[in-house]
Parts: sequence; structure tokens; C-alpha cells
Amino acid sequence: DTEVTQTPKHLVMGMTNKKSLKCEQHMGHRAMYWYKQKAKKPPELMFVYSYEKLSINESVPSRFSPECPNSSLLNLHLHALQPEDSALYLCASSQDRQSTYGYTFGSGTRLTVV
Amino acid sequence: DAKTTQPNSMESNEEEPVHLPCNHSTISGTDYIHWYRQLPSQGPEYVIHGLTSNVNNRMASLAIAEDRKSSTLILHRATLRDAAVYYCILRANYGGSQGNLIFGKGTKLSVKP
Repeated sequence: DTEVTQTPKHLVMGMTNKKSLKCEQHMGHRAMYWYKQKAKKPPELMFVYSYEKLSINESVPSRFSPECPNSSLLNLHLHALQPEDSALYLCASSQDRQSTYGYTFGSGTRLTVV
Repeated sequence: DAKTTQPNSMESNEEEPVHLPCNHSTISGTDYIHWYRQLPSQGPEYVIHGLTSNVNNRMASLAIAEDRKSSTLILHRATLRDAAVYYCILRANYGGSQGNLIFGKGTKLSVKP
């Protein structure tokens, strides 16, 4: 299995809702990442997990809450989002942070906040 | 994070080679040069990476200048499926940013039939 699987593919949520994005990989990778991508912009790094521990939080608002329950799974919990949070949310994994090899990205979850 | 500079857009004809340039004059000795591409409505896809020597794989070739201040991604025969945004990224091998991929604006490649 050489894929990163993200669910759901599309999500529409209200500003008072709580929802979660899920990311799964079975490549034995020990580093996992969340990115946010607005239309026609490059992906922006949000969070980095290394061996299931949060290594980097790029000053992301607390309405985004990441969680790494095990080495294969990465969640992003969403609460009280704003319309400007509408974006494509991408998950990626790599062998570990020290490896020089490439990342594997999922296809993303397209989030719309109404 | 060391920065890269790429042209905003490039055009190519189908079945012709494409050379995508990238400048990275502030590269450190331990930064790896990575290339990714993003097709419409998809996540980025790893293309190739290198440190000092030129690299080839089934997707592309990477030519790295001797002083490492620039590199070129070479697609040997462009197809319509190669139309994408191509990102040149320096991946730090040490320090707090170790391993992070920080995307720049990239080059949007259009391929004409």
C-alpha cells in the first residue's frame, strides 16, 4: 500500500459545527503532516507529527486541533470555523523527519464553511 | 527556510522536452532539492530529488548546477498529462525545519497538443 487516504473528500460545515478530517497511511511512515491550500495558492504547512508526537504547529488557530492516535492515523478536529477557513486540506507522510526521501500526499479534503 | 525562485508559467508542445528552471542562491550545503507537481484537483506528487549529482528516474531528470545555486527539472517528452504546477523546494536536513517541505509559488506548465 503506497497511498495516503483522506476522508471525507468533500465536507460542508456550519460555523457552529464540530467535524473531523481523517488521514491514514500504511507505509510505516513515522512523520505525518497537515497542509492547508487556498485556491490558486501553494500548500501551507500547518502541523508536523513525528513518531506520533506534535513537533511543529505553524501558529495555527486553536479552532484546528490535530491528533495522532497511532502511527497510521492522523486526524484534524475542526470547531467554530470561519468562512475563510474554506480550503483544500492535505495530509502527507514521509519515512520520518530525518529521511531525505519524498513525501506522499493524499488527494485532500475540500472543506467549505458556510 | 531557504527560498526558491521559479517562473510563474511555461508552455510546452506535446512530445517535446521541457526544462523547468529553479534558482536557489541561498541554499545551504545540506539542503536537498525536491521537485513536486500538482495536477488539478489532486494533492502534490513527488517527482524527484537530489543533493549534488544529477538524478534520473522514470518520471524526469534533475540537473543540478555545480555551485548548487540552481537546478533544472527535465521532462523528456511532455504529454498532456504533465500539465500541472511544478514546485521546486529545498528540504532542510538539519535544524528546527528539518524535513519540512515549504512550498513556493511554483511554475504552472501548460502542454499544447
